[in-house]
Amino acid sequence: GESVGLHLPTLSVQEGDNSIINCAYSNSASDYFIWYKQESGKGPQFIIDIRSNMDKRQGQRVTVLLNKTVKHLSLQIAATQPGDSAVYFCAETPLGRRALTFGSGTRLQVQP
Amino acid sequence: ETGVTQSPTHLIKTRGQQVTLRCSSQSGHNTVSWYQQALGQGPQFIFQYYREEENGRGNFPPRFSGLQFPNYSSELNVNALELDDSALYLCASTVFGAGRSNEQFFGPGTRLTVL
Repeated sequence: GESVGLHLPTLSVQEGDNSIINCAYSNSASDYFIWYKQESGKGPQFIIDIRSNMDKRQGQRVTVLLNKTVKHLSLQIAATQPGDSAVYFCAETPLGRRALTFGSGTRLQVQP
Repeated sequence: ETGVTQSPTHLIKTRGQQVTLRCSSQSGHNTVSWYQQALGQGPQFIFQYYREEENGRGNFPPRFSGLQFPNYSSELNVNALELDDSALYLCASTVFGAGRSNEQFFGPGTRLTVL
């Protein structure tokens, strides 16, 4: 079936650098995209979301970019900190649905 | 504002047994979804409850069932447990309605181990 996937399973960056986590999705009916952060032993924590009528959305230190032409989503984290170390998931859902389809996740490791 | 809570935190069962997991939704949220997260994988949608009825289901067999109560809390029941049911079970709540955000808030999960 259609799914959301990620290009890189593990990303290692230096503290202070910018991080970019990528995600490809295959469901062209997807209308809403979310990035979640999951720390060990915890549930996913909402980071930022974007709707399909937007290309870019910014939050505090994070930016999500959506390219609907190639069905690609990315999460940019500015000035990465040790506390950003976690597994990051992209998720999508088509318009009118509430079930989220998650990718397999990217582990972000921040080196001090 | 109280977040999503789940109980128990951890649970160990043997194959063939039945289990009930519980979830209290975030204050003001009327919709609860359940997800199964196997080790090293992303969460997989099991089903969603709205107004005490199932409102969408993923690719899970009928031995996975649920309930939602008038206070919007929910239960996930799994019968005839199998070894592959070992996973983190996540509950997420949201507000379902016209013009509402799709944002779902997750609880900490229940870690189920089936021996």
